[in-house]
Amino acid sequence: NAGVTQTPKFRILKIGQSMTLQCTQDMNHNYMYWYRQDPGMGLKLIYYSVGAGITDKGEVPNGYNVSRSTTEDFPLRLELAAPSQTSVYFCASSTGTWGQFFGPGTRLTVL
Amino acid sequence: KNQVEQSPQSLIILEGKNCTLQCNYTVSPFSNLRWYKQDTGRGPVSLTIMTFSENTKSNGRYTATLDADTKQSSLHITASQLSDSASYICVVSADTGGFKTIFGAGTRLFVKA
Repeated sequence: NAGVTQTPKFRILKIGQSMTLQCTQDMNHNYMYWYRQDPGMGLKLIYYSVGAGITDKGEVPNGYNVSRSTTEDFPLRLELAAPSQTSVYFCASSTGTWGQFFGPGTRLTVL
Repeated sequence: KNQVEQSPQSLIILEGKNCTLQCNYTVSPFSNLRWYKQDTGRGPVSLTIMTFSENTKSNGRYTATLDADTKQSSLHITASQLSDSASYICVVSADTGGFKTIFGAGTRLFVKA
């Protein structure tokens, strides 16, 4: 099992550009999550999904969108990148609200 | 307000020594508490998970304790190794019927030879 994979690993965007962060898991987990981690801060939940076709907002959803068309994939979309979105983004999955498995992260810089 | 506070912010110890990291939380109603280890540049990896009824859980040299009455948890690392250098994150989930998980900011541990 590859676990949770994320692409790209690094990205630099200009203000106003759009991009999609990809996340795939091969553990057949129903729950998937997107977090952001700012330097010296705890992870904050952006969006989560409890199954294909079901998504819900987390703590900091503004400026982001998600979709969940399959169990395996949970892409995160940034429509109009802003400097405040400079962060490390982690995708995670789990069988419930327990023991999440995290991906390696995507480091995003918006200039 | 739901919060998870960890102390110390950072800690330096010598290889072979023991250490204890602290986590205080105000998340309510409590569902479970997890400790994660996050190596630099990597995603967090789960160490332990505890529910309300559990007060100790071990994973090798890592032992977590939970006092649900005082809303405190600790992570004790025995006989530290250089590879223990990482951030240790306390995570508390609330049993709200929805999804509410609060991450602490972490304790940065440096183990020196």
